[in-house]
Amino acid sequence: AQKITQTQPGMFVQEKEAVTLDCTYDTSDPSYGLFWYKQPSSGEMIFLIYQGSYDQQNATEGRYSLNFQKARKSANLVISASQLGDSAMYFCAMRGGMDSNYQLIWGAGTKLIIKP
Amino acid sequence: EAQVTQNPRYLITVTGKKLTVTCSQNMNHEYMSWYRQDPGLGLRQIYYSMNVEVTDKGDVPEGYKVSRKEKRNFPLILESPSPNQTSLYFCARAGGPRGAQYFGPGTRLLVL
Repeated sequence: AQKITQTQPGMFVQEKEAVTLDCTYDTSDPSYGLFWYKQPSSGEMIFLIYQGSYDQQNATEGRYSLNFQKARKSANLVISASQLGDSAMYFCAMRGGMDSNYQLIWGAGTKLIIKP
Repeated sequence: EAQVTQNPRYLITVTGKKLTVTCSQNMNHEYMSWYRQDPGLGLRQIYYSMNVEVTDKGDVPEGYKVSRKEKRNFPLILESPSPNQTSLYFCARAGGPRGAQYFGPGTRLLVL
C-alpha cells in the first residue's frame, strides 16, 4: 500500500537559517509524483513544488528545493534562508502510478515555526 | 488568474439541516475533488470527479453527496449533517505540473 510519512510533528528554526522537512514514502509503482504543500494559519493550501519519479534533477522553485533520494524513498523539502512568513504547516503528498488519476496520498504534516 | 472558489467560507448549522457547499473553478479542468481536514487525521478525500457526470467515492464518502452537472461546478451536499462532520472542507482542481492539485480557500463547518 502507498504511504507517506512525515516524522517531524513540529520544528522551531531561527530566521534566516535553512530548514529541511522530512518526507518518506512507500510505493511499488515505478511511476509516481511527490508534492509539497504549505498551509499557513489562515488555512489555505498552497502548492509549493513537485518531483516526478523519473526526473533526473531535484526540483527547485525559488527558495524551495526538493532533496529527492529515490533509493531511500525520501523527498525532503529544503527551504533556504527561512523567513517569518514560512511559519506554517507543511504537507508532503504522493500521486501514484498510471491508474491513480490525480488522487493524492497525504502525510500528517509538519508544523514549522520560524523564530525571529 | 486560475481560481477555485468555495462558498460559504464559514458555516454554523444544526444537526439534520441540509446544506450545500459550492465549489467553482474557472479553468475548465476536468478533475475536481473534495477533502476534509481534521486535526491529527490530515486531509482525507471525500469524493472526486474525473469529468462531467463522472464522480467517485474517496476515502470518507459516508454522509456526503456530490454532483457534476457542468465542468466548472462541483458542489458538496450534506443531506443530514451530524456533529462528526464538523471540519475544514477543501475543494480542489487538478491541472498543475504533473497533476498538482490547486485548492479553494476552504470552508469551516460547525454542526451543532
